[in-house]
Amino acid sequence: NAGVTQTPKFRILKIGQSMTLQCTQDMNHNYMYWYRQDPGMGLKLIYYSVGAGITDKGEVPNGYNVSRSTTEDFPLRLELAAPSQTSVYFCASNNRVNSGNTIYFGEGSWLTVV
Amino acid sequence: DQQVKQNSPSLSVQEGRISILNCDYTNSMFDYFLWYKKYPAEGPTFLISISSIKDKNEDGRFTVFLNKSAKHLSLHIVPSQPGDSAVYFCAALGNNNNDMRFGAGTRLTVKP
Repeated sequence: NAGVTQTPKFRILKIGQSMTLQCTQDMNHNYMYWYRQDPGMGLKLIYYSVGAGITDKGEVPNGYNVSRSTTEDFPLRLELAAPSQTSVYFCASNNRVNSGNTIYFGEGSWLTVV
Repeated sequence: DQQVKQNSPSLSVQEGRISILNCDYTNSMFDYFLWYKKYPAEGPTFLISISSIKDKNEDGRFTVFLNKSAKHLSLHIVPSQPGDSAVYFCAALGNNNNDMRFGAGTRLTVKP
């Protein structure tokens, strides 16, 4: 009963370091998303994917990269970490045919850049 | 550009009373609206949704009302229970649009 799984749950990065947030879903969903949530703000879409091999920018893509080589996995890459990327990151997925517009979220990854 | 706004960052109600959470939006292209509930250290979970062709959708203790002319929706929880204490996010989506916009959330506290 895994659903959407994100790793790591917590991470501290130094400015300029790079890292990848992993996301995998076992529901065979075609759509996957990465959101970030800053304190006192709503979730903002970073990147999304409508299927393997297809990715698109969301509202706040700068400083991030994604790939979607398989249906299950949608990793988010930070190449040169900046303090402005300190946030909580949520991966999500859905199947537009079966679940409509409802999306299912992972538990979140807390990232601090110092 | 905050297209979905939840102007009340927090709300406190007594157990058994009604909780009303409000949400306003500015983009007239939005035609589907959702409410998500989030507990600390967890991801948001879907609660209830409404399409723009309706003005009310009910699911147990939860009812969402949509006023398209005012670009306003609200979530009613009645009766409120302590387990309802969480942050509630309003979200909106346009047709054929993959960019779901979220409000900043309202923290609901239900006191026993």
